[in-house]
Amino acid sequence: GAVVSQHPSRVICKSGTSVKIECRSLDFQATTMFWYRQFPKQSLMLMATSNEGSKATYEQGVEKDKFLINHASLTLSTLTVTSAHPEDSSFYICSARGRADTQYFGPGTRLTVL
Amino acid sequence: QKEVEQNSGPLSVPEGAIASLNCTYSDRGSQSFFWYRQYSGKSPELIMFIYSNGDKEDGRFTAQLNKASQYVSLLIRDSQPSDSATYLCAVMLTGRRALTFGSGTRLQVQP
Repeated sequence: GAVVSQHPSRVICKSGTSVKIECRSLDFQATTMFWYRQFPKQSLMLMATSNEGSKATYEQGVEKDKFLINHASLTLSTLTVTSAHPEDSSFYICSARGRADTQYFGPGTRLTVL
Repeated sequence: QKEVEQNSGPLSVPEGAIASLNCTYSDRGSQSFFWYRQYSGKSPELIMFIYSNGDKEDGRFTAQLNKASQYVSLLIRDSQPSDSATYLCAVMLTGRRALTFGSGTRLQVQP
């Protein structure tokens, strides 16, 4: 149980395009999901908390207009990187909150912006 | 002081030995504690969680929690080369909605 999927696993795009990443909780409902970014050999960085049916809460320094988050159902949250630039290239990982504060992570999406 | 601190390592142990990973946290009111393992290029996977003082065992893994001293540790018995990874300590700090992660300890198990 407690499986989280993420799609796509890898994406390469041109600078200026937008990329959408989907995060799904497959066998449980998640009212709260989280989006992280991780650069090589660095720690996980929380970008935002995604709340089902309401606006996401962004961490300080994260541009909400650039990283659009939608949590339309109890099993799906999406992150759209708008007008992507090479500096947005990173490993994006979602997690879904399960019972008792536990967070289950998706497999991650590796974004490369050319 | 960081909210969740871990020694970055690397911690190198021989195969078959006990690996001991430590984590301290700043918020005395924290109630939930987690250990995740992250292989290079992969996302974190949950190993164990612990809520009460004392030890909790699951197979080769034992989590230890001491709330008075504000530390949580993970012991890995009979370490295997496949245990080589970065181990992340995570704490649910008071008033937060997301877990706060330490920077991780890199473990190397030498064959």
